[in-house]
Amino acid sequence: GAVVSQHPSWVICKSGTSVKIECRSLDFQATTMFWYRQFPKQSLMLMATSNEGSKATYEQGVEKDKFLINHASLTLSTLTVTSAHPEDSSFYICSARTTPGQGVGLNQPQHFGDGTRLSIL
Amino acid sequence: AQSVTQPDIHITVSEGASLELRCNYSYGATPYLFWYVQSPGQGLQLLLKYFSGDTLVQGIKGFEAEFKRSQSSFNLRKPSVHWSDAAEYFCAVGARAGGGNKLTFGTGTQLKVEL
Repeated sequence: GAVVSQHPSWVICKSGTSVKIECRSLDFQATTMFWYRQFPKQSLMLMATSNEGSKATYEQGVEKDKFLINHASLTLSTLTVTSAHPEDSSFYICSARTTPGQGVGLNQPQHFGDGTRLSIL
Repeated sequence: AQSVTQPDIHITVSEGASLELRCNYSYGATPYLFWYVQSPGQGLQLLLKYFSGDTLVQGIKGFEAEFKRSQSSFNLRKPSVHWSDAAEYFCAVGARAGGGNKLTFGTGTQLKVEL
């Protein structure tokens, strides 16, 4: 259980284009999803917290107009990198947390997708 | 603010040997603690978590971790390492309060297993 699917797993595109990454919870409902960015040989840095039906909460230093997040349903959140440039190339990982009440207590572990390797030429 | 320190960037052990990966955290109260493992090019898999109760936590794949409040540590252990355990290991701390439950990750420890 608790499977998170991320698509695509790898994308290469030209500079200036926009790229959409999907994060789906396959067998559970997730009111909260998280988007991370991971540079090579480094840890995960939280970009934003995505809440179903409301605006995402961005971490300090993350451009909300650059990284558009939509969480339209309890099983899907999308991250769109707008007007992507080479410096946006990175490994993007999403995670989803089960809805409070479905598990024991309010704080359930996050379940991660397999990540998306984004390369901007 | 919460933080996590993983002092060892790389660790190499022989297959069959025991393993301990160190994790120290900084948090104002009793935290939620997690260990995740990441294989190359993939997402993170939860190994184990500590919320409360018994300070020795058992996880998947034969891993365990012990929460030591006095040392602000949550070290990961395995009595006998397998070659398939080679991966990147991340310790994370989660805030108890608030609805965000954001995780803060350590910088990771790369485990290499020698056959």
